[in-house]
Amino acid sequence: GAGVSQSPRYKVAKRGQDVALRCDPISGHVSLFWYQQALGQGPEFLTYFQNEAQLDKSGLPSDRFFAERPEGSVSTLKIQRTQQEDSAVYLCASRPGGGVVDNSPLHFGNGTRLTVT
Amino acid sequence: LAKTTQPISMDSYEGQEVNITCSHNNIATNDYITWYQQFPSQGPRFIIQGYKTKVTNEVASLFIPADRKSSTLSLPRVSLSDTAVYYCLVGQTNQGGKLIFGQGTELSVKP
Repeated sequence: GAGVSQSPRYKVAKRGQDVALRCDPISGHVSLFWYQQALGQGPEFLTYFQNEAQLDKSGLPSDRFFAERPEGSVSTLKIQRTQQEDSAVYLCASRPGGGVVDNSPLHFGNGTRLTVT
Repeated sequence: LAKTTQPISMDSYEGQEVNITCSHNNIATNDYITWYQQFPSQGPRFIIQGYKTKVTNEVASLFIPADRKSSTLSLPRVSLSDTAVYYCLVGQTNQGGKLIFGQGTELSVKP
């Protein structure tokens, strides 16, 4: 089927606005990841879900960032009161397994480019 | 978590073989080595993964010496479309899924 889908593809927000970024993982994939990628840098880990459980949110930069995956499929990354430093590409990735040891590769979406003005 | 070091950039010409080496001195026993490719405005795409010795697929080869402190991604006969950023990652998902990307190697293939 289709790969990982992210929407919107581009988002421009004024400083202080709230934004919501959506990720549709590959159907049946247990694990879901969010990464933030600044211009010219590698992706930086934000958070990880196994089904609906958020097992690791250590990469979220502040309490303005919140992610959820309520039914274990679609995930939303919400950023409240956006700041200019939040401007980046937000990547979502999924993987079939969710076991303790799983080295299967990540399948990435093409990201949402967020620009905060 | 193992840290990786790669060259920031490399240049090559069409038809040449390109080898990108990644250092990971603190790799743990259960860590795998995975390489991703990223084109502009796209998410990273899996290329190859290995644990030791040599792995080959239709796209690339991965060479891992016995001490596993480094690995080399080999791209045979590159074309212009291989111009991209290549990331080397080491890790395992029982670390909470936190796979760490470095800065990557920006490969530029010229005609």
